[in-house]
Amino acid sequence: GAVVSQHPSWVICKSGTSVKIECRSLDFQATTMFWYRQFPKQSLMLMATSNEGSKATYEQGVEKDKFLINHASLTLSTLTVTSAHPEDSSFYICSAPTASDYTFGSGTRLTVV
Amino acid sequence: AQSVTQLGSHVSVSEGALVLLRCNYSSSVPPYLFWYVQYPNQGLQLLLKYTSAATLVKGINGFEAEFKKSETSFHLTKPSAHMSDAAEYFCAVSDSVGNEKLTFGTGTRLTIIP
Repeated sequence: GAVVSQHPSWVICKSGTSVKIECRSLDFQATTMFWYRQFPKQSLMLMATSNEGSKATYEQGVEKDKFLINHASLTLSTLTVTSAHPEDSSFYICSAPTASDYTFGSGTRLTVV
Repeated sequence: AQSVTQLGSHVSVSEGALVLLRCNYSSSVPPYLFWYVQYPNQGLQLLLKYTSAATLVKGINGFEAEFKKSETSFHLTKPSAHMSDAAEYFCAVSDSVGNEKLTFGTGTRLTIIP
């Protein structure tokens, strides 16, 4: 079936630095990628929707200058957390729709120290 | 706007007992409904989905769910719980499958008592 590979699976970074998370569709073309954030013991909250070749659509309250999303090809979407702060520590998950379902990356645990 | 409500943030059942996780939805159009399972620090795995075909949907690992339009419900059940079923379960709704986002419920943590 359709697989989305997400890397890194975990990352620790210093406050003020930037971190890039990649999601690659391995055996299908993902024209759309959804990016979610999940705080401990909470549900997934949609941050933004990226579409190949166009600007991402951000949900209300999500800072587009802080969470940079790029979807430059049909197999790669990236999320860059810029000038990370401890409050950005969270679990980030990408998801791509397929013909009849959604396939999820394995998630990235970001810890900002 | 669509939404799902999962009743019970924590559910505990004994091994071998019936599992029932509740999900009610709100949607202005015929919904597509999903149940996902999440193990710690992992992504989501699809258990089953309803896409306007049969109202009783069978999924993986012995789970099933019934779409009841009159009750706006899509409860998840399993006849006999196994220790490996301990995880977080999310109900989700979408207008369609394609480029429409999923809206998730708040999740239910299932604990299995030996």
